[in-house]
Amino acid sequence: DAGVIQSPRHEVTEMGQEVTLRCKPISGHNSLFWYRQTMMRGLELLIYFNNNVPIDDSGMPEDRFSAKMPNASFSTLKIQPSEPRDSAVYFCASSLASEVWDEQFFGPGTRLTVL
Amino acid sequence: KQEVTQIPAALSVPEGENLVLNCSFTDSAIYNLQWFRQDPGKGLTSLLLIQSSQREQTSGRLNASLDKSSGRSTLYIAASQPGDSATYLCAVSSLTGANSKLTFGKGITLSVRP
Repeated sequence: DAGVIQSPRHEVTEMGQEVTLRCKPISGHNSLFWYRQTMMRGLELLIYFNNNVPIDDSGMPEDRFSAKMPNASFSTLKIQPSEPRDSAVYFCASSLASEVWDEQFFGPGTRLTVL
Repeated sequence: KQEVTQIPAALSVPEGENLVLNCSFTDSAIYNLQWFRQDPGKGLTSLLLIQSSQREQTSGRLNASLDKSSGRSTLYIAASQPGDSATYLCAVSSLTGANSKLTFGKGITLSVRP
């Protein structure tokens, strides 16, 4: 199995631009999670989906952030417009089960730099 | 609000030493606790998962313990090797209203010197 696939691995953009991060979960997994990791705040859960339906988006920092999961094999996290404080590593993870406490498998992350 | 603390933030030990990494959490009403490993530039890999009803879990040279009442967990690494160098994060899961939450510590960066 290829594991969780994220693209791009690195993204550098200018403030105000739209950024789209992509994730392909492990085939057969029912849940997908988006995290953000910074030195200051550590790892934070932004949103998670179960069977393509958003379950909890209380971690999404602002309306500038949105996430979609149009099918079981693809999800996007969009930031529009981006700001320098959005610079972080964004991880996607997937799980066979439906709760956050079940074992999750993480992708390699996307390092976002907003200038 | 659940808070997870891992102290110290970094640790350097010589190869072969047995070591303990600590994790503390403020709300003892947890569902389980997990220890993860993160290598530089990589995602997280789950090492051990302890259910709230369990006291410890073991995998190879790793042993994780859980004392829910005192809000503490430890990850014991026996006979440390340079390949163990990584950041180790603990995460606790709990119910918040109708939703489950996973709260991470900021991690301990371990360096094992040859």
